Amino acid sequence: DIQMTQSPSSLSAFVGDRVTITCQASQDIRNYLNWYQHKPGKAPKLLIYDASNLGTGVPSRFSGNGSGTDFTFTITSLQPEDLATYYCQQYDTLLLIFGGGTKVEIK
Amino acid sequence: QVRLQESGPGLVKPSETLSLTCTVSGGSISTYFWTWIRQPPGKGLEWIGNIYDSGSTNYDPSLKSRVTMSVDTSTNQFSLKLNSVTAADTAIYYCARGVRDYYGMDVWGQGTTVTVSS
Repeated sequence: DIQMTQSPSSLSAFVGDRVTITCQASQDIRNYLNWYQHKPGKAPKLLIYDASNLGTGVPSRFSGNGSGTDFTFTITSLQPEDLATYYCQQYDTLLLIFGGGTKVEIK
Repeated sequence: QVRLQESGPGLVKPSETLSLTCTVSGGSISTYFWTWIRQPPGKGLEWIGNIYDSGSTNYDPSLKSRVTMSVDTSTNQFSLKLNSVTAADTAIYYCARGVRDYYGMDVWGQGTTVTVSS
């Protein structure tokens, strides 16, 4: 089975900071990786699909990169409303697997 | 605008069957796949399984022996049954719409809390 390792599990940054989250797959998943934002009390929201494509209506400060086994998700200028947990999700085998999540806090 | 709404009991007894339904409004149940995802308290998102309008399914291997999903295209609903539940199945359960092009979920229900307790 493919394993997804997401890091860090949590981070704290200032408004305006650049934030980067990584997701590593245990085997090649090509670009079959999506990223979600999950705010407390809300449903998750798709931000990035196919590793680097911005979802509908998603602000351009969010971006994704990578292919194969190593992927990154970046917020170029952290905003107060970005307080959330972020998850990667792979689909190479049609069995969807989420990473463990990264909780982003504002200093 | 497509909307999804979960419904079902909020409390289930141990060893019994958890049953949830997701009603899709504002769009067709065809073309997409439909999925159930849960979040146990203090933990991350867990994929449970997918169902297509054809009725074909994919389930998480760890839950496969206890899960059944079904779809009713005439009522635009799909359902989840999870049998022999334990406290470990206590979670917020989300239904979501999946896009086949990239196997991501672009529309989600608000989620429903299910507690397993006697």
